[in-house]
Amino acid sequence: DADVTQTPRNRITKTGKRIMLECSQTKGHDRMYWYRQDPGLGLRLIYYSFDVKDINKGEISDGYSVSRQAQAKFSLSLESAIPNQTALYFCATSRNNEQFFGPGTRLTVL
Amino acid sequence: ELKVEQNPLFLSMQEGKNYTIYCNYSTTSDRLYWYRQDPGKSLESLFVLLSNGAVKQEGRLMASLDTKARLSTLHITAAVHDLSATYFCAVDMNRDDKIIFGKGTRLHILP
Repeated sequence: DADVTQTPRNRITKTGKRIMLECSQTKGHDRMYWYRQDPGLGLRLIYYSFDVKDINKGEISDGYSVSRQAQAKFSLSLESAIPNQTALYFCATSRNNEQFFGPGTRLTVL
Repeated sequence: ELKVEQNPLFLSMQEGKNYTIYCNYSTTSDRLYWYRQDPGKSLESLFVLLSNGAVKQEGRLMASLDTKARLSTLHITAAVHDLSATYFCAVDMNRDDKIIFGKGTRLHILP
């Protein structure tokens, strides 16, 4: 079984819709992250959380919000999706200098 | 602001050849990571470099870190087709596991 899981794996939505991407982990790590990947731009950090009560903005947090419901769960929300949020989204956890990535969620905003 | 630059961004090479991917970063750091990503897949951790002069090798890949030059290299020896992928370097500036990625090097190895 995968240690870091993301749901949904693929999602198509329309401009203006609210959408939530979910991440769960069984690794027992305190630190969790959300990234987006766009072709030619690498991965950019959206939000990160070092424990349940600690949430921090990353490089590109505008238009996104997060919720850390428990140590194992970290959700990313798009309150009003727009087409330039079409991307591949990755969740990750970390401990001891190493990050572990989920399988990714491919989001398309029409 | 930390910037991480990789070059080249795209590399097409023949099997059996050697080549090096470079990763430069703009501020002091002694934590650097290399990842591999296959098309449509997630990122796989290759190397974690945690000190100046660190060198790690796995198969045909070898990574090194020079913190004074703010430079890491990923060297490919006698490339094989299976190494075709996109390779990312990433830097942790503040030792807080918040890492910044380069744009990636897309490596295509011709059989």
